[in-house]
Amino acid sequence: EAGVVQSPRYKIIEKKQPVAFWCNPISGHNTLYWYRQNLGQGPELLIRYENEEAVDDSQLPKDRFSAERLKGVDSTLKIQPAELGDSAVYLCASSFQYAEQFFGPGTRLTVL
Amino acid sequence: DAKTTQPNSMESNEEEPVHLPCNHSTISGTDYIHWYRQLPSQGPEYVIHGLTSNVNNRMASLAIAEDRKSSTLILHRATLRDAAVYYCSHAGNNRKLIWGLGTSLAVNP
Repeated sequence: EAGVVQSPRYKIIEKKQPVAFWCNPISGHNTLYWYRQNLGQGPELLIRYENEEAVDDSQLPKDRFSAERLKGVDSTLKIQPAELGDSAVYLCASSFQYAEQFFGPGTRLTVL
Repeated sequence: DAKTTQPNSMESNEEEPVHLPCNHSTISGTDYIHWYRQLPSQGPEYVIHGLTSNVNNRMASLAIAEDRKSSTLILHRATLRDAAVYYCSHAGNNRKLIWGLGTSLAVNP
């Protein structure tokens, strides 16, 4: 069974540039999560989807971050414009209902 | 939101048991306790979860205190591949896992 797929794995951009991350969850998983993980910290939830509905986006900085999950499958997380403090690893996870979460390898973002 | 307290780091020798503690004093009666681990340069990986009774699976055992305010993840025979950061958490009614700093486990050969 294929795991959670994320792309790209690494991204280096200059500040004020836009960036997008893509996630393909495990087939059949209706719940999808985007996390941000800073160095030496645990993951921080940015947004959680149940199917195509965002049920928890309280930690998403809505002035510059946006996310979508069209048709309740793939999801895209966007940052525009990026700031230096956005440098982190962005993790996508999926689960069936609220069972154990399966994580992708993450996208390491460096903002210069 | 749920909060947990774990030691920053622990060390073990290969093939010895490891007991990783976690305090979760704000846990409510319906919260499940979850453990995940994260190997270097990888996303977190589910280890085990439980509610009240002790739980066992192929990876580890979870011992939950009677008052549920603490739990211990037990690796029965540590291997070098078990070197990782171990996170415990519990989810409230909003089903949201709050991740702390975790415990960095080093395994000596």
